Amino acid sequence: DGGITQSPKYLFRKEGQNVTLSCEQNLNHDAMYWYRQDPGQGLRLIYYSQIVNDFQKGDIAEGYSVSREKKESFPLTVTSAQKNPTAFYLCASSITGQGEQFFGPGTRLTVL
Amino acid sequence: SQKIEQNSEALNIQEGKTATLTCNYTNYSPAYLQWYRQDPGRGPVFLLLIRENEKEKRKERLKVTFDTTLKQSLFHITASQPADSATYLCALPGGTTDSWGKLQFGAGTQVVVTP
Repeated sequence: DGGITQSPKYLFRKEGQNVTLSCEQNLNHDAMYWYRQDPGQGLRLIYYSQIVNDFQKGDIAEGYSVSREKKESFPLTVTSAQKNPTAFYLCASSITGQGEQFFGPGTRLTVL
Repeated sequence: SQKIEQNSEALNIQEGKTATLTCNYTNYSPAYLQWYRQDPGRGPVFLLLIRENEKEKRKERLKVTFDTTLKQSLFHITASQPADSATYLCALPGGTTDSWGKLQFGAGTQVVVTP
């Protein structure tokens, strides 16, 4: 089954801690993305990667970091510098920079 | 700055009727526009893509129009069913920097179909 997976589904973190969200895809897509969704708001782009070993900041990159060492994987680290990290995080991938994006099931992060 | 507007009020509709959702945008000249469906607590699912040179596109009970003069897309669900209840998001390419592959999403409109 081809698809995109995110883990964990729910994540709790104490203030001041860094946490890493996993995103894996077996669709052989070059492009991958991380979005953040807050209640009543649209998805906002955090980081994106067009190809392995390359990534760019999206609209709200501050307090986040990513890596793209493998085509299949695009983990997101939420650092302690992110002021309001509690949100629903979505990972997506696409064949190229255009066309439909395939989304994972999301990770809900709550900072206690 | 670029802005996408979708009706924030939920659309309540009776089963069998046609639901019509609106996506308005400003300060964009998008080459295409996409529509996604999102169920609560889940990731969005792609539905349709319509290009700037296409006036209308259909997929089963879904129909999308794209008016680049009005800067508006309409999304229709015909013969609606309770299973169509979800939030529908429109998305356009572009962002605050370059426009490669990056989608800007509207906040979405919730559709509730009652039997």
